[in-house]
This record gives sequence, structure tokens and C-alpha cells, in this order.
Amino acid sequence: EAGVTQFPSHSVIEKGQTVTLRCDPISGHDNLYWYRRVMGKEIKFLLHFVKESKQDESGMPNNRFLAERTGGTYSTLKVQPAELEDSGVYFCASSYRTSGTPLAKNIQYFGAGTRLSVL
Amino acid sequence: AQSVTQLDSHVSVSEGTPVLLRCNYSSSYSPSLFWYVQHPNKGLQLLLKYTSAATLVKGINGFEAEFKKSETSFHLTKPSAHMSDAAEYFCVVSVGYSSASKIIFGSGTRLSIRP
Repeated sequence: EAGVTQFPSHSVIEKGQTVTLRCDPISGHDNLYWYRRVMGKEIKFLLHFVKESKQDESGMPNNRFLAERTGGTYSTLKVQPAELEDSGVYFCASSYRTSGTPLAKNIQYFGAGTRLSVL
Repeated sequence: AQSVTQLDSHVSVSEGTPVLLRCNYSSSYSPSLFWYVQHPNKGLQLLLKYTSAATLVKGINGFEAEFKKSETSFHLTKPSAHMSDAAEYFCVVSVGYSSASKIIFGSGTRLSIRP
């Protein structure tokens, strides 16, 4: 079974440009999460999809970030325009949706991340 | 509010000696706790999880962790370090009970193994 796939693995762009990150979750996983680790800081939650719906986007830093999950399969995270402080590693995770089941039984599986460098 | 604190940003041990990575948590109710590991250029991999059953949790690669409510700790241990254990380790706490709940990461501990 394929794991969570993210691409590109590394992206280098200039300030003001647009970048789109993609995440393919494990097949059958309804939950999809985006996280970010800025250099030297903790891994922070960005948002959570259940199928194509945004369940929680409380971690999105500002309106330069747009996440989509059309059709409830893969997801994209677009940064437009990119700023220097957006540099970091962006992780995607997915989990199987088990309604009414505690989170402890709903493990998140992570991709290798996309390293974004904004110059 | 839920949070986790990893007490050491970097731990270095000799191969064959015990490993101890420390984690303290804060939670207003009985938490779900996890340890994840990230090897260079790899994704985050689940090592083990605490789900309010046994307080001593065994994970992959010989790691285990003990949930101590009185100390609000969930330290990760391994009796004998191997070179392949060199990686970054994250202590994680869940927020809420449902499958829609998000998780909160500690700041990470980088483990180095000396030959």
C-alpha cells in the first residue's frame, strides 16, 4: 500500500512568486491534514479536511494560503504571493475516518514533507 | 489547553547504551499521547501511542514509553542504542476525543549516536 505522497520534495522560489504543494493521501483516508515547520520552531497544524470539506482551518497563517481538496482525494496548498517567512517544511498527513472513534484509534500517517525555500 | 514539552533539544549517546528522551505534557483531561520519529529525508513515522490502556507502551524498533499521570510525563526509552536510531523524535498530544481532533507536536529532540 502506498503511503502519503508529497511533491515536490523541495521547492525554491523568489519572494512574491506562487507555489503549489500537492499531497496524495493513503487511498481510502477521508481525513487529510496539513502541517508546517518553520526553521527552529515546532511543527504546527494548518488545517484539516474531511473528504472535500474543511473541518478546521484555524492554523492557516493568513489569506496568502489556500488549500483545496476537490473530489476528496488529493489536496493542494497554494502560497500566493510567497514571503520569506513562509520558508520551512510542509507536511501532509492522512487518517482513516472512523466516526465516533477516539483520535487514539485514528493514527495520522505522514508524508516526507515539502521543503519550501523562499529567497 | 493541551501542550507538550520536550526537555532536550539534542541528546547524544554511545551505541549500545540506553536512550532516554523526555516529554512532559499538559492536558485538562486524560490525553492521547504519541511518539513520532523522523529520519533524514523521510516522513514522520509513528513509534508508539498511549491510548489509556496499559501505561507502559511498547513500540517499534525496541522503543517504549511509560505514561505517568502523577508526573505528567511520557518519556521514551530504549535499552540499547543503535546507529540507525539517529533521527529526530517528536512527542505529540491529541486535542480532543474525536477522529476530527488535531494533534500538537513538541519541539523535537535530535538523537545522535556515537560509535
